[in-house]
Amino acid sequence: EAGVVQSPRYKIIEKKQPVAFWCNPISGHNTLYWYLQNLGQGPELLIRYENEEAVDDSQLPKDRFSAERLKGVDSTLKIQPAELGDSAVYLCASSFTGANTGELFFGEGSRLTVL
Amino acid sequence: GENVEQHPSTLSVQEGDSAVIKCTYSDSASNYFPWYKQELGKRPQLIIDIRSNVGEKKDQRIAVTLNKTAKHFSLHITETQPEDSAVYFCAASMRGEGKLIFGQGTELSVKP
Repeated sequence: EAGVVQSPRYKIIEKKQPVAFWCNPISGHNTLYWYLQNLGQGPELLIRYENEEAVDDSQLPKDRFSAERLKGVDSTLKIQPAELGDSAVYLCASSFTGANTGELFFGEGSRLTVL
Repeated sequence: GENVEQHPSTLSVQEGDSAVIKCTYSDSASNYFPWYKQELGKRPQLIIDIRSNVGEKKDQRIAVTLNKTAKHFSLHITETQPEDSAVYFCAASMRGEGKLIFGQGTELSVKP
């Protein structure tokens, strides 16, 4: 079974440029998460989707960040314009809400470097 | 909202020794406490979890204990091996809510 797939794995951009990250969750997983992981820190939730609905986006900086999950499957996270402080790893995760376990399955992450 | 504190931030042990990582949480409504292992440049992966109706859970060399009264939980790794070297994250959530709040991580180094 394929895991959570993210792309690109690495992205280097100059500040003020836009960037987008894509995530394909595990088939059948209705819940999708975007987490931000700064170097040496634990992941921090940016946004959580239940199917196509964003049910928790309280930590998403909405002035520059946007996300969508069309058709309740793949998701895209966009930053426009990027700032130096956005350099981090962006992790996507998925889970099945009806599962007996609360396990989140993470992708390998997209490492962003803003110059 | 929930806040999770994790200690220590770094831990170095000799191969074969035990390692203990501790976490505290703030929201008494939290009822699900997983531990994730993240090797360098890799994805976080669940290694063990515990629910609030259980005080201890074991899986081979790893165990987790939970003290609901004190609002803290711990990861215990016995007979450590070099491949246990990684960053370990604790987390807490209300099961069903799906929102995991992570601790800051502990970098475990097992020296052969």
